[in-house]
Amino acid sequence: QKEVEQNSGPLSVPEGAIASLNCTYSDRVSQSFFWYRQYSGKSPELIMSIYSNGDKEDGRFTAQLNKASQYVSLLIRDSQPSDSATYLCAVSGGYQKVTFGTGTKLQVIP
Amino acid sequence: DAGVIQSPRHEVTEMGQEVTLRCKPISGHNSLFWYRQTMMRGLELLIYFNNNVPIDDSGMPEDRFSAKMPNASFSTLKIQPSEPRDSAVYFCASSNLAEAFFGQGTRLTVV
Repeated sequence: QKEVEQNSGPLSVPEGAIASLNCTYSDRVSQSFFWYRQYSGKSPELIMSIYSNGDKEDGRFTAQLNKASQYVSLLIRDSQPSDSATYLCAVSGGYQKVTFGTGTKLQVIP
Repeated sequence: DAGVIQSPRHEVTEMGQEVTLRCKPISGHNSLFWYRQTMMRGLELLIYFNNNVPIDDSGMPEDRFSAKMPNASFSTLKIQPSEPRDSAVYFCASSNLAEAFFGQGTRLTVV
């Protein structure tokens, strides 16, 4: 079992819709959870971090964490074509080790 | 701060040659990570350091790969000898408490 699993996609949504990205992780002692966005040919960029169960909102982005289910999600409201990218879920545990999923490619259709 | 700085940005080398990738982490960060990204395998953690000490190198694919962090402001990843299957983008990232910040990456092509 991979440490961090994501559906590779592509996930296609129309402009203005809500995009829902999901991630599961295997290490129950994981403490910190992140979502990164990566445009083609660029490096990953941190967009959200979440540390406790529940929802965290930042503008059009909402991260959701459920430690009991070992599940993290990212919702993007009012999706824009500029949101088209690969979204990477990352999990941090002991000694600040940061492990990434393989990413979900999101396509926002104008 | 200028962020994580990697060099070179691009490297083309012949099979069998030694390749050295360099990284300068963000000042004050105590963890440094080397990742490799390919289309097939995604973003793989090769090795990471905490306070300049290698903590986990289980992701290093073979003995041909080695990494050092002689001080808090510099790290290298060396491949000797290089092979065509090592072609990938290599990222360095650093963190302080949790979030990792990435450099621009080194695109390595081994021909």
